[in-house]
Amino acid sequence: AQSVTQLDSQVPVFEEAPVELRCNYSSSVSVYLFWYVQYPNQGLQLLLKYLSGSTLVKGINGFEAEFNKSQTSFHLRKPSVHISDTAEYFCAVSGRGAQKLVFGQGTRLTINP
Amino acid sequence: DTAVSQTPKYLVTQMGNDKSIKCEQNLGHDTMYWYKQDSKKFLKIMFSYNNKELIINETVPNRFSPKSPDKAHLNLHINSLELGDSAVYFCASSQGSFSYEQYFGPGTRLTVT
Repeated sequence: AQSVTQLDSQVPVFEEAPVELRCNYSSSVSVYLFWYVQYPNQGLQLLLKYLSGSTLVKGINGFEAEFNKSQTSFHLRKPSVHISDTAEYFCAVSGRGAQKLVFGQGTRLTINP
Repeated sequence: DTAVSQTPKYLVTQMGNDKSIKCEQNLGHDTMYWYKQDSKKFLKIMFSYNNKELIINETVPNRFSPKSPDKAHLNLHINSLELGDSAVYFCASSQGSFSYEQYFGPGTRLTVT
């Protein structure tokens, strides 16, 4: 079975500052990893995914994440945030060969002007 | 064009009633899912169907019954609604049942009074 822990429930940052949202996972098998974003009153949208290959993956809206197998982490980063990045961010894991996503508890990113 | 749509968007009903939520996807995917998001934003899978066949049923009460008339539709019927059923229900779809990338609908906010 897989599990995901998002270490911060809320992250406030100032506009144009860098941000990192932390995600750790647990799994006894190899994994696929995902970050989803949920804007207010909307469904989830895929930001980026790690399936294999390069451990640094780039996604939409300037976000990137790095898969670190030894630390079982998949932290999300953006060098300069914008007001429009205000949203809830979810890290998710799927075990290879599994048929479902397991989501973390979410991190609310709040951008202050 | 809406990729994954759900109706209704809001549903307010009394305890003990029976209600249905409908989901349709026009992405040509063969796998569809129902997720429940509670008041703390925790997202958990309930069911998934692949080519109209149930493949995941996650310890959900029998009062919840999914129905997939075809690959493009997955409906959720809930009998004898309880206060604890209040949540946002998301439908999602993917190509293949191994969760590489799921597309989410806008959600249905169910309030049971």
